[in-house]
Amino acid sequence: DAKTTQPTSMDCAEGRAANLPCNHSTISGNEYVYWYRQIHSQGPQYIIHGLKNNETNEMASLIITEDRKSSTLILPHATLRDTAVYYCIVRVGGGVGGATNKLIFGTGTLLAVQP
Amino acid sequence: GAGVSQTPSNKVTEKGKYVELRCDPISGHTALYWYRQSLGQGPEFLIYFQGTGAADDSGLPNDRFFAVRPEGSVSTLKIQRTERGDSAVYLCASSLTSSRGRGELFFGEGSRLTVL
Repeated sequence: DAKTTQPTSMDCAEGRAANLPCNHSTISGNEYVYWYRQIHSQGPQYIIHGLKNNETNEMASLIITEDRKSSTLILPHATLRDTAVYYCIVRVGGGVGGATNKLIFGTGTLLAVQP
Repeated sequence: GAGVSQTPSNKVTEKGKYVELRCDPISGHTALYWYRQSLGQGPEFLIYFQGTGAADDSGLPNDRFFAVRPEGSVSTLKIQRTERGDSAVYLCASSLTSSRGRGELFFGEGSRLTVL
């Protein structure tokens, strides 16, 4: 699976948009970009994933560059409860070609939402 | 609840002792994963089960670590002759493996192991 690079930490004011970048310059054509987050003392939680099109759900938006070498997770209106470590992971999609759903985590970005 | 359940939530043991950590996956999830997380680090993959069999145990650090899933549901992670370096939070996750799914892993809240 391709490696990712994320900033160690970021701050965001409550109510503002949080934009978390991720570089994955060695991503392969069949690899998806997944985002998970981990709130203190909890297990990681799925947020969103995408292949090449931008994606949006009730939690966040995912913007993937045209060359797919980087992406940005956007939390449109950050709240204090969004303070967490955010992990960007690239891997072959679950079930595709017999691939497993195994995730390889990096160290992620600690997002601190400030009141 | 309907989520992944892990027991115990906390375990304190002495160096050299044997420890078992249990994971109850979401009903119907055929895939089960164990991870280990040390302070300040992301979760580190240990082992993955598809049904009853260990499909990938490449992350187990040494032969003191072993995991089973005899009936394809509950799994137990077993650590023999514990060392202080084994202290960590052990996370379990489960998932569907159908290509209809989005490949999402559902994690439990973990078992915190402290080896004195």
